[in-house]
Amino acid sequence: QVTLKESGPVLVKPTETLTLTCTVSGFSLSTGRMGVSWIRQPPGKALEWLAHIFSNDEKSYSTSLQSRLTISRDTSKSQVVLTMTNMDPGDTATYYCARPLSGSDIWSGFSIWGQGIVVTVSS
Amino acid sequence: QSVLTQPPSVSGAPGQRVTISCTGSSSNIGAGYVVHWYQQLPGTAPKLLIYGNSNRPSGVPARFSGSKYGTSASLAITGLQAEDEADYYCQSYDTRLSGVFGGGTKVTVL
Repeated sequence: QVTLKESGPVLVKPTETLTLTCTVSGFSLSTGRMGVSWIRQPPGKALEWLAHIFSNDEKSYSTSLQSRLTISRDTSKSQVVLTMTNMDPGDTATYYCARPLSGSDIWSGFSIWGQGIVVTVSS
Repeated sequence: QSVLTQPPSVSGAPGQRVTISCTGSSSNIGAGYVVHWYQQLPGTAPKLLIYGNSNRPSGVPARFSGSKYGTSASLAITGLQAEDEADYYCQSYDTRLSGVFGGGTKVTVL
């Protein structure tokens, strides 16, 4: 069974750096052309795609946020890590990690999602 | 302001047919990129409902269907049921912005 689970701080202060971890099970991050994306959703608002890492370690970022984002992976721990710098109250959201339906194609539709982690940015 | 425009809400009585539109532009849907649809029940993660414009993943009831035409796409729910009350999002790819989602549509079953 394929699962993804997000973990990290639930509260960060403005200007701090957020580090979130997505732990996957049921598939390998380094084989089978399986990648993982991060997507967020502010309270009561729409979904926003943030970043994706491919099984060959290639990365893709949201055009509007790429200067603040870094995505990486630790295949030995089956984890994908997202860091977002200079956090602002406007970054308060539920952050999800998700796997595409077709591992090698980010835009094939996100078929498996983690439960999400609510991150609040406040002093 | 989302790149893909959806109506904020639609409603219908049980058994009725409702449709949700997703309007894009020549840099996303109109450029030939596929559209996916998600259903999000309150307090839960989104669920892939339709992929590749009109395909249903295993387990999704046949009353959900998708179509695409020009710079727009639509999701239809035929035979609306109480459990269909949720938020629905369309998603595609944009040549300038990368992955994009619609603003979401709340479906209310009257």
